[in-house]
Amino acid sequence: DGGITQSPKYLFRKEGQNVTLSCEQNLNHDAMYWYRQDPGQGLRLIYYSQIVNDFQKGDIAEGYSVSREKKESFPLTVTSAQKNPTAFYLCASSSEDRELRGYTFGSGTRLTVV
Amino acid sequence: KNQVEQSPQSLIILEGKNCTLQCNYTVSPFSNLRWYKQDTGRGPVSLTIMTFSENTKSNGRYTATLDADTKQSSLHITASQLSDSASYICVVSVRFGTASKLTFGTGTRLQVTL
Repeated sequence: DGGITQSPKYLFRKEGQNVTLSCEQNLNHDAMYWYRQDPGQGLRLIYYSQIVNDFQKGDIAEGYSVSREKKESFPLTVTSAQKNPTAFYLCASSSEDRELRGYTFGSGTRLTVV
Repeated sequence: KNQVEQSPQSLIILEGKNCTLQCNYTVSPFSNLRWYKQDTGRGPVSLTIMTFSENTKSNGRYTATLDADTKQSSLHITASQLSDSASYICVVSVRFGTASKLTFGTGTRLQVTL
């Protein structure tokens, strides 16, 4: 079955560490997105990529980095520059006609700073 | 200030009862409006997508309405089930040329009890 796979489901980070969240999709979607979800707030866009080898900053890109070397993969690195990284991270993908088909979300990764 | 406001923030209903969730938005230019269901610790799952020309759309026991003039949408759940317990998120899409941006509401947390 096609879908988006995020791993790991839970991740713990020590202060000063960089961590990478994985996102893989087999839907053949062109666009991929990373969102952050905090309690009491709507999802906020971190980065997005509309095509391989290209990506754009979202609303809250500071302290994060991404790469898009393959169409299927869009990993997110949370760097030590991100001062408040504890959150639920969601990856999504969409096809070119996403306005009608909508987005497909992964199951999320919960990142906790310890 | 979030441009997509949802109410109520939380709701508890008895199994078998109906309920209606509200979404008011101020984002423009409007492209489409989506309702998602998000189970705790999971990614959102699409329920409905409506363009400005549609004023109602159903998906099983879920019926969404849209009034583009007043910028209001509602999600009506009929004959609620325990499995309907989740957060329901209203999302408005704004189109910028070939790109689009989603603005997420903070969600309504619904609990269905016996």
